[in-house]
Amino acid sequence: DAGVIQSPRHEVTEMGQEVTLRCKPISGHNSLFWYRQTMMRGLELLIYFNNNVPIDDSGMPEDRFSAKMPNASFSTLKIQPSEPRDSAVYFCASSYTGINEQFFGPGTRLTVL
Amino acid sequence: QKEVEQNSGPLSVPEGAIASLNCTYSDRGSQSFFWYRQYSGKSPELIMSIYSNGDKEDGRFTAQLNKASQYVSLLIRDSQPSDSATYLCALYNNNDMRFGAGTRLTVKP
Repeated sequence: DAGVIQSPRHEVTEMGQEVTLRCKPISGHNSLFWYRQTMMRGLELLIYFNNNVPIDDSGMPEDRFSAKMPNASFSTLKIQPSEPRDSAVYFCASSYTGINEQFFGPGTRLTVL
Repeated sequence: QKEVEQNSGPLSVPEGAIASLNCTYSDRGSQSFFWYRQYSGKSPELIMSIYSNGDKEDGRFTAQLNKASQYVSLLIRDSQPSDSATYLCALYNNNDMRFGAGTRLTVKP
């Protein structure tokens, strides 16, 4: 299995631009998670999907952030408009069932100038 | 008080020694506990999960959970330089996953 796949691996954009991060979970996993990691705040759970349905999005920092999971093999995290404080590494993770043993993707390093 | 507290380190141990990593938490409703290892510039990797009080062993790793005292620990026996990484404690409760800031471990040859 290829593991969790994320794209792009690096993204540099300017403030105000729209950013879309993509994730393909491990085949057969029915739970998907988006995290953000910064030096200041550590690893934070943004949103959690189970069977393609958002279960908890209380970690999404603002309305500028949105996430979708149109099918079991694809999810997006969108930031519009982006701001410099959104600069972080964004991880996607998946698990077989619920918040249990999660497998992380390689991450997307986002830099907003 | 932080919800998940870890000593940031760095914790330095000689090769072959036992490394002891500790984590305390404030949410008594926490149900599941995890230890992740994160190498610099890489993603977190699950190394242990523990759900009930007591010890759980997996190879050189032993996780210990004490819900009454609200702590979870990770012991690494026969530490190797390849164990040098940041170790993240995580806990789950009510559809929420909380991570500690991590403890940086250095194993010196």
